[in-house]
Formats: sequence, C-alpha cells, structure tokens
Amino acid sequence: EVQLVESGGGLVQPGGSLRLSCAASGFTFSSYWMSWVRQAPGKGLEWVANIKQDGSEKYYVDSVKGRFTISRDNAKNSLYLQMNSLRAEDTAVYYCARDKTIFAALYWYFDLWGRGTLVTVSS
Amino acid sequence: QSALTQPASVSGSPGQSITISCTGTSSDVGGYNYVSWYQQHPGKAPKLMIYEVSNRPSGVPDRFSGSKSGNTASLTISGLQAEDEADYYCSSYTSSSTLYVFGTGTKVTVL
Repeated sequence: EVQLVESGGGLVQPGGSLRLSCAASGFTFSSYWMSWVRQAPGKGLEWVANIKQDGSEKYYVDSVKGRFTISRDNAKNSLYLQMNSLRAEDTAVYYCARDKTIFAALYWYFDLWGRGTLVTVSS
Repeated sequence: QSALTQPASVSGSPGQSITISCTGTSSDVGGYNYVSWYQQHPGKAPKLMIYEVSNRPSGVPDRFSGSKSGNTASLTISGLQAEDEADYYCSSYTSSSTLYVFGTGTKVTVL
C-alpha cells in the first residue's frame, strides 16, 4: 500500500528540540521530492520545508529557517524534520507530503499525504 | 508571503452547485498554472482534488472542477453531496522564497 506514516510528535517546552520521522512505503521514495506541511490547531495549512530526491537541495519557509532541518535517508525510505529552538507558534499537526515529481522536475502539488503527528510547544 | 484569500464559508443544498474562490497575486496564482485544491475532513489528512488549475486525479468525481482567471482560481462542486462537507484549501507555487502558498481555507456546509 502506498502510504506515509509520521511519528515523533509530542509535548516539548519552548526552546526545546524534537525530531519528526516519516516512513514511506509502496513507492520508490528516492524518486520524489518530499515536504513537511503543518497545520496549527483550528488554522490553515502552511508549507514548512522540502528536499530534493538526493538531499542536495532543501528549502524552508522563512519562519523556520535556521531552526528546522529537513533530511532524508533513501536507504531507509524515511524523511525527517529536526526542530530546534521551538516556539509556541510551532504548535501544529505536522504532515509529511509527497511532492509531485516526474524525473527531476517538481510539479508543485502534493499527491500523497500522511495522517500527521501533533507537536505541542508549551511550558 | 501572505496566504491566498478564500471565503471563510460557502454553503449549498444537496444537488446544487457552489464555487470557492482563491485570490492571489501575479507572483503566484496569476503567474503560473500551478494551482491545486485539497479537501480535508475533520481530523483527517488533506486529499488532492485538483492539480494544475483544472486537472482531476483519478478517483476524484467529475463533480469537482477547477478554473482560473487572472489572479483568481476557482473550485466548483456541481451536484453537491453530503460527503462534500469539508474544509477546502487552494495552493499555488509562488516565486517568493516560500515556494508553496496555501489559501486561508473554506468550510463547505451542505444544508
């Protein structure tokens, strides 16, 4: 079955760190750009970061630059998001999403989503 | 980069048609044919409904259609059904450093 399964969410204090993981199955993970998208409670969707197939290119939304790091391990079919210096405004459900990719080209939409993992930043 | 603008809510009776607008700028919606639409039921992950302005993935009913004029994209649901009640988000590529921008979201209610 083609799916993405996130893990690693939880409660963390402001200033703390957390590492999210996303396990991919049912498709050739190494052929796709991958993204993290978040949704604060009761709010809309916000793209956070994405990474190229081989990890050589990474992009971030301005609000997380310097604090979050996206990475991947193609041998383990896994995507990661290392989150440091967490703030209350980072509280959200974090979704792993597959960027539509054909060969090396991005087509700027998400064709597969995980169910998300909740990150709560609070003292 | 500001979020794309959508109406907060749209409602209709079963069988009716409704349209959700998504307004951006020439740096996103108006400048590229990379507008997509997602359906999200409460507590669930988003689901792709329309990509590249007007294309439907396999499995999405043809009641869902998309279009664009200038800086505004639209999602139309024809023959509204109870299961269409959900939140809908548009998204676009943007030439800003953000790369992807989402809309503010629209809650669709089936009366």
